[in-house]
Amino acid sequence: NAGVTQTPKFQVLKTGQSMTLQCAQDMNHNSMYWYRQDPGMGLRLIYYSASEGTTDKGEVPNGYNVSRLNKREFSLRLESAAPSQTSVYFCASSFRDGNYGYTFGSGTRLTVV
Amino acid sequence: AQKVTQAQTEISVVEKEDVTLDCVYETRDTTYYLFWYKQPPSGELVFLIRRNSFDEQNEISGRYSWNFQKSTSSFNFTITASQVVDSAVYFCALGSDSNYQLIWGAGTKLIIKP
Repeated sequence: NAGVTQTPKFQVLKTGQSMTLQCAQDMNHNSMYWYRQDPGMGLRLIYYSASEGTTDKGEVPNGYNVSRLNKREFSLRLESAAPSQTSVYFCASSFRDGNYGYTFGSGTRLTVV
Repeated sequence: AQKVTQAQTEISVVEKEDVTLDCVYETRDTTYYLFWYKQPPSGELVFLIRRNSFDEQNEISGRYSWNFQKSTSSFNFTITASQVVDSAVYFCALGSDSNYQLIWGAGTKLIIKP
């Protein structure tokens, strides 16, 4: 089925470990996004990629890096995980900018201990 | 600055009751877009509706309806004859041509009791 695929679905890290969250879309969308969702705070944008080859910081970029590998794939890397990064992470894509609406992945529940 | 406020943190109703979720937004842009998304207990985020600022017609889709009022900067969502499957967190979001990202409300958790 067409959509946004995120891996892994669950992950437990120790403080200081690194990991990469993978995201791929097959809808030929130009823009991709990484959000984090914390209780009572809605969705906060970490990074986005308006088009292949570009990335920009969102509201909460500290502690994260991203790579837009190609039009389909947009990865999120935590270089040195901290307990404050315990969250649910969502990847999303849109045809152009967010005003066209997003298609979201199923989310990654990350716990940093 | 742009902002979305969903003042209702949690709403609990009995099945078959009607329920309205409030969304109030702030923007200085004349062209903007409003969205509602649903997040059921399974966790995925599902797109429900998109409305642009030039279209103030109310929208009805089955048991769902949306009331957009520019005069009060509100875009409220009503579920008629609610069902247990409507239990979810509902998010309102705002977009505009001057801002690449959507601005999200904190969400309203809707609990439908059988």
